[in-house]
Amino acid sequence: QTEVTQEPSLTVSPGGTVTLTCASSTGAVTSGFYPNWFQKKPGQAPRALIYSTKNKQSWTPARFSGSLLGGKAALTLSGVQPEDEAEYYCLLYYGGAQPWVFGGGTKLTVL
Amino acid sequence: EVQLVESGGDLVQPGGSLRLSCSASGFTFSVYVMYWVRQAPGKGLEYVSDISSNGGGRNYADSVKGRFTISRDNSKNTLYLQMSSLRAEDTAVYYCVKGNSNELGSWGQGTLVTVSS
Repeated sequence: QTEVTQEPSLTVSPGGTVTLTCASSTGAVTSGFYPNWFQKKPGQAPRALIYSTKNKQSWTPARFSGSLLGGKAALTLSGVQPEDEAEYYCLLYYGGAQPWVFGGGTKLTVL
Repeated sequence: EVQLVESGGDLVQPGGSLRLSCSASGFTFSVYVMYWVRQAPGKGLEYVSDISSNGGGRNYADSVKGRFTISRDNSKNTLYLQMSSLRAEDTAVYYCVKGNSNELGSWGQGTLVTVSS
């Protein structure tokens, strides 16, 4: 059973910088996993932020960026705003019959 | 503007069946991969299924394989999810998502499925 692991929770101050990571139980995450990142706020639909490691959706604010870091996928928020408080999910591609697996999510608190 | 509107969610008894629909507009539906993703109450997001642009390729999560069937009607710009042998653990908000082979992009607002006696 493939598992994708994220930090359960992180806290950041307004204006600060924070990096969320996404690890695979199968080993290092590479660009071939096409990492996607999503933002989810209570009562709202998820919103796509990043696809294929570092590509932004047309609506993604410039302060969000994606990368690979130390064998993991990473989402960095620079100049965090209060409205960035949300749950963030990564998604990795494994191919085969069940091609996509979500991480468990990171609850980001802006305090 | 991309619009995805899910419908069909309801309260259903364990073992029952339900068909979800997703009406798409604002883009050329027939050239995109489409996905279903769900979120159970208090839980994270879970990939459910996806279907290729022409409907020839379909994939499922192990948790729904053999019970759920994804399909699409490109003439009606509509995506479907036929769910059978429903279990309590299928209770969730189900989202329709437009994407590509390497991306999940625009999401609908979701439809709630509750499996309970």
